[in-house]
Amino acid sequence: DAMVIQNPRYQVTQFGKPVTLSCSQTLNHNVMYWYQQKSSQAPKLLFHYYDKDFNNEADTPDNFQSRRPNTSFCFLDIRSPGLGDAAMYLCATSSLRPGTILPYEQYFGPGTRLTVT
Amino acid sequence: AQTVTQSQPEMSVQEAETVTLSCTYDTSENNYYLFWYKQPPSRQMILVIRQEAYKQQNATENRFSVNFQKAAKSFSLKISDSQLGDTAMYFCAFMSQGGSEKLVFGKGTKLTVNP
Repeated sequence: DAMVIQNPRYQVTQFGKPVTLSCSQTLNHNVMYWYQQKSSQAPKLLFHYYDKDFNNEADTPDNFQSRRPNTSFCFLDIRSPGLGDAAMYLCATSSLRPGTILPYEQYFGPGTRLTVT
Repeated sequence: AQTVTQSQPEMSVQEAETVTLSCTYDTSENNYYLFWYKQPPSRQMILVIRQEAYKQQNATENRFSVNFQKAAKSFSLKISDSQLGDTAMYFCAFMSQGGSEKLVFGKGTKLTVNP
């Protein structure tokens, strides 16, 4: 089945130790998103890629970076994780084409729960 | 900036009964889209239903329907014949027309369906 895959599902890292979360998709969608979701809160968009174009949210800390080497993969890099970065990180994809009238839904992965010790 | 408000942090309903989740939003735009997403415990978020603001007819998907009141900026979700599998967090979300499909989520309502 076509899907959005996130690895690992659970990640433990030490304070200040760089960590990378990965997302892959078999949907061939051109838009990929990274959300941060803290306990009992709404998902918060960090950034997204529209094809190769990177779009950073204004309030996303510089500590968070992303790479998209190809259509299928997208990575979230946290350069120096702090205790406040412990959260669920959700990857999502959607298909957006020029001239599209209706928005296609966003397909979410199962998330990676990051713990910072 | 758009905001989405879900005023019910938690709700519960008996199996087979009907429940309505509330959502209000704030925007100055005339054309936009609204969504309800479901996030079951430890499972991924999935789309339940969507509504285009230019459509007056309320969207329905099987047991799920919405009451879209554009003037009041209200977008409630009704779940009929509730099932145990409906237990989840429900997020209301807003998207502007055009652009890059950025979703603005409410804080969510935790729904528990009791047997």
